[in-house]
Amino acid sequence: NAGVTQTPKFRILKIGQSMTLQCTQDMNHNYMYWYRQDPGMGLKLIYYSVGAGITDKGEVPNGYNVSRSTTEDFPLRLELAAPSQTSVYFCASRVGYEQYFGPGTRLTVT
Amino acid sequence: AQKITQTQPGMFVQEKEAVTLDCTYDTSDPSYGLFWYKQPSSGEMIFLIYQGSYDQQNATEGRYSLNFQKARKSANLVISASQLGDSAMYFCAMREENTGNQFYFGTGTSLTVIP
Repeated sequence: NAGVTQTPKFRILKIGQSMTLQCTQDMNHNYMYWYRQDPGMGLKLIYYSVGAGITDKGEVPNGYNVSRSTTEDFPLRLELAAPSQTSVYFCASRVGYEQYFGPGTRLTVT
Repeated sequence: AQKITQTQPGMFVQEKEAVTLDCTYDTSDPSYGLFWYKQPSSGEMIFLIYQGSYDQQNATEGRYSLNFQKARKSANLVISASQLGDSAMYFCAMREENTGNQFYFGTGTSLTVIP
């Protein structure tokens, strides 16, 4: 099992550009989550999904979109990137009470 | 209001000593879970311990225990016999089970173990 994988590991975007952060899990978990972690802070939930075709907003959804067409994949789309979206992005999947985190994507918007 | 509050930005502990990291939470959901995660300097999030709101006993996992005081809404992490490898950020988190399954994280405590 690869667990939760995220690509890319690092990315620099210019203001106004768009990109998709990829997240894949091979554990057949229904629940998946996207978080951002700003420097020196805890994680904040952006979006989550309880299964294929079902997504919902978390605490900080503005500027992001998600889709969940399969159980395995949960991509996060940034439209019109802004400097405030500079952060580390973590994807996670969950079964029972335990979340399994991906290694993170470090995104810088300049 | 903050759902999770961690009031200790940084803590120091001597190797082999015990240390307590504080966490208080705020919820009106009677069914919730409390979690502690470790984040070393390499950045990954490592699950340490879980406590359910209906669990009667405090959770323990090896050197980690969770001091759950429901009436005070506190869920402190106790690390016994600290090791140098315990130096990391520690995050407390909560999931409210009846209100959307969202997770809320605190701002973290940086623990440094001194040889």
